Formats: sequence, structure tokens, C-alpha cells
Amino acid sequence: GQQLNQSPQSMFIQEGEDVSMNCTSSSIFNTWLWYKQDPGEGPVLLIALYKAGELTSNGRLTAQFGITRKDSFLNISASIPSDVGIYFCAGQLPGSGNTGKLIFGQGTTLQVKP
Amino acid sequence: NAGVTQTPKFQVLKTGQSMTLQCAQDMNHNSMYWYRQDPGMGLRLIYYSASEGTTDKGEVPNGYNVSRLNKREFSLRLESAAPSQTSVYFCASSEGGKGNTIYFGEGSWLTVV
Repeated sequence: GQQLNQSPQSMFIQEGEDVSMNCTSSSIFNTWLWYKQDPGEGPVLLIALYKAGELTSNGRLTAQFGITRKDSFLNISASIPSDVGIYFCAGQLPGSGNTGKLIFGQGTTLQVKP
Repeated sequence: NAGVTQTPKFQVLKTGQSMTLQCAQDMNHNSMYWYRQDPGMGLRLIYYSASEGTTDKGEVPNGYNVSRLNKREFSLRLESAAPSQTSVYFCASSEGGKGNTIYFGEGSWLTVV
């Protein structure tokens, strides 16, 4: 099936550092989404991207929809302990019509050392 | 402001037992989904329902059945549970269509022994 390759798989950083993670695919997507999952909770939407080249910020988070439509990145600036969690990228394929089906990356586990 | 609610939160089953996970959304969304989450595997789509009255298989449908009872509710049934179905299950909903964003419930932890 379709796959999204998300990297890195995990990160352990010092509080205050910037973080970058990305997703790539061999397929073209028409929507990219970034979610965060806290332990014991469901994923929560952080940023949604709908057009190639789109750059969107949400506080300290910035995400971009790649020009080729096959990749996306998420940056977190000045990390804080509450940024800890698992971050997922997700993409919607053209031709998925009205189903809204998403393909998810494997997740990036972020740990922040105070 | 409930969003997507699913029950039960935790369940332990014996191999061969059956059970149903319930899900309801109060956002008047057209589409609903069931995902499972396993370590290192991300979220994999089990079944989805693009609209009331329709259901379709996702990536990993074997061993599951679903029912879109009405626009609000979408249940997932395990007829004969197997240890391989030990997982965290998430229900989700969305308006559907292009430019879609999906909203998740809090998850159901299922262990099959």
C-alpha cells in the first residue's frame, strides 16, 4: 500500500533547541496534516496544509507542503518540556474522493530534557 | 464540546470472545473511521464510512466488521478476538472531501489474551 516515510523515528533534545522532522513519499498528496499525540490520548491536529509550497505557522510550530507535493516538514522552535509526545504526518491522496482517507507516517517520538 | 467519544476506554478479552467498540461524534461530520495503532506502525485504517449508509475496507480490515448506525455513530466489532488484535483503537470523524481534516477520539486499549 501507499507509505509515508517519516524521520527521524525519535529525538532526544535539550529544552530550548529547535526541532525538525519530515515526511516523504513516492506518491503525490493533495493535503498534508501534522498531528501530535500525548501519552494515553488520541492524536490532535497541529497544522493542515492544502497547497503545494504552502508555509503555515501555529505558534512555535511551522510546517510546509513541499513543492513536489511528495513531502512535508514540521519545525518546532525553542522546544519546551510540554512538546514531548509523538508527532505524526498524514497525507490525503488525490482520487480519494469524498472519503477523506489519510495515510499516516510511522511517527516521531520527541523527548525534551529540561 | 465532546467531539468524538468512544467506549470502552479499556478492555481485556479472551481469545475467541467477541466485543463491539462504540463511537459517536457530535460535529455533524459525514465521514467516520476506525484506526488501530501499534508500536512502530503508526495509525492504520481498518474501515471507514464516507457517509451514512456506506462502509468500506481500509488497509487492515480482516477480523473486523463495522456498522454505521446513523450519521453520529460508527461501531467496530470483533467477532472472534485474536491476540494479534491487541492494539489501541481510535475512532475518528471528518467532514470528508478534499482538504479534509480528521478529528480523533481518545482511544480504546484492547488486550486479547
